[in-house]
Amino acid sequence: DGGITQSPKYLFRKEGQNVTLSCEQNLNHDAMYWYRQDPGQGLRLIYYSQIVNDFQKGDIAEGYSVSREKKESFPLTVTSAQKNPTAFYLCASSIDLGRGQRQPQHFGDGTRLSIL
Amino acid sequence: KQEVTQIPAALSVPEGENLVLNCSFTDSAIYNLQWFRQDPGKGLTSLLLIQSSQREQTSGRLNASLDKSSGRSTLYIAASQPGDSATYLCAVYNYGQNFVFGPGTRLSVLP
Repeated sequence: DGGITQSPKYLFRKEGQNVTLSCEQNLNHDAMYWYRQDPGQGLRLIYYSQIVNDFQKGDIAEGYSVSREKKESFPLTVTSAQKNPTAFYLCASSIDLGRGQRQPQHFGDGTRLSIL
Repeated sequence: KQEVTQIPAALSVPEGENLVLNCSFTDSAIYNLQWFRQDPGKGLTSLLLIQSSQREQTSGRLNASLDKSSGRSTLYIAASQPGDSATYLCAVYNYGQNFVFGPGTRLSVLP
């Protein structure tokens, strides 16, 4: 079955450490997204990519970095510059909706990141 | 800047009851509105998508309505079941902008 796989499910970060969250999709979708979810708040967009080797900042990109070297993969690195990284991180994807539409259609099951 | 709110934040109902979840948005020039379901510790599953030109969409026991002029959408769940327990999020899309999510309503259906 096609879908989005996020790993690991749980991740712990030490002070000053960079950590990378994995997101892989086999839906043949062009666009991929990273969201952060905090309790009592809506999902907030960190980064999105509409094509390989291209990505754009979302609303809360500071302290995060991404790469898109393959269509199937969109890893997110939480850097030490992100001072409040504890959250639930969701990866999503969509077909190319054209005309700059940025609307996720499928979501992974998330990675919960905590500070040690 | 588009803002989305959802009321109530949490709702607990007995099994079999009909219920309504509310979603409000500040910028009425939306392209579409979508309702999602999220189970604990899981990702989002799309339930219904309403285009700006539509007034409602139905899927099984779910009915979503849209009133663009007043900036409101409702999700109606008929004959609720314990399996409906989850968090329900609405999200709106304004053309050329990022998708904006509400904080969600956490629903508990008691057997």
